[in-house]
Amino acid sequence: DQQVKQNSPSLSVQEGRISILNCDYTNSMFDYFLWYKKYPAEGPTFLISISSIKDKNEDGRFTVFLNKSAKHLSLHIVPSQPGDSAVYFCAATGNQGGKLIFGQGTELSVKP
Amino acid sequence: KAGVTQTPRYLIKTRGQQVTLSCSPISGHRSVSWYQQTPGQGLQFLFEYFSETQRNKGNFPGRFSGRQFSNSRSEMNVSTLELGDSALYLCASSLADRGTDTQYFGPGTRLTVL
Repeated sequence: DQQVKQNSPSLSVQEGRISILNCDYTNSMFDYFLWYKKYPAEGPTFLISISSIKDKNEDGRFTVFLNKSAKHLSLHIVPSQPGDSAVYFCAATGNQGGKLIFGQGTELSVKP
Repeated sequence: KAGVTQTPRYLIKTRGQQVTLSCSPISGHRSVSWYQQTPGQGLQFLFEYFSETQRNKGNFPGRFSGRQFSNSRSEMNVSTLELGDSALYLCASSLADRGTDTQYFGPGTRLTVL
């Protein structure tokens, strides 16, 4: 039972354009959502998060949108840069402290 | 501030052996969580320690165990290693007294079981 799903295993975007990564969840008890960027054989790097009391959070080129009724969140990267090429994971947590549930990841490739 | 550190970075063991991995959290962080990453299963939660107590546990067999020390450093142990235990083991720390604290990850320990 996969509670957090990233249905697109990969995404290719041209440099300077917008990258949109999507994530769906099933557990309505989740109240905090995070996006991480990961390179092979390294630990995930935290990018941005959003609480369930908000529907949008911005940090520089990164914006996360949360649609609670659809149980859907998305990460927008504008403008995309070649250095953004990596695997992106969304994660969710509820009232179980310290336990993140991860999606399967989306590999983003930004072409120069 | 130094990030999360994990030792060793790479480890090769044979089936049936046991292994201990170490994690030092960011200074001031009281919660340490452990995750296993494999190509087939993705990133899966193992367990979380807070103030030296296991607060949460994932769906892994009892061969996987952990502990946390008074300085918040944590170790995880895997006994009777199996080939399927080959994975990247990640620890993450957070300030934690609420479930919504952000977790920051270490570089991981790559375990290979032969």
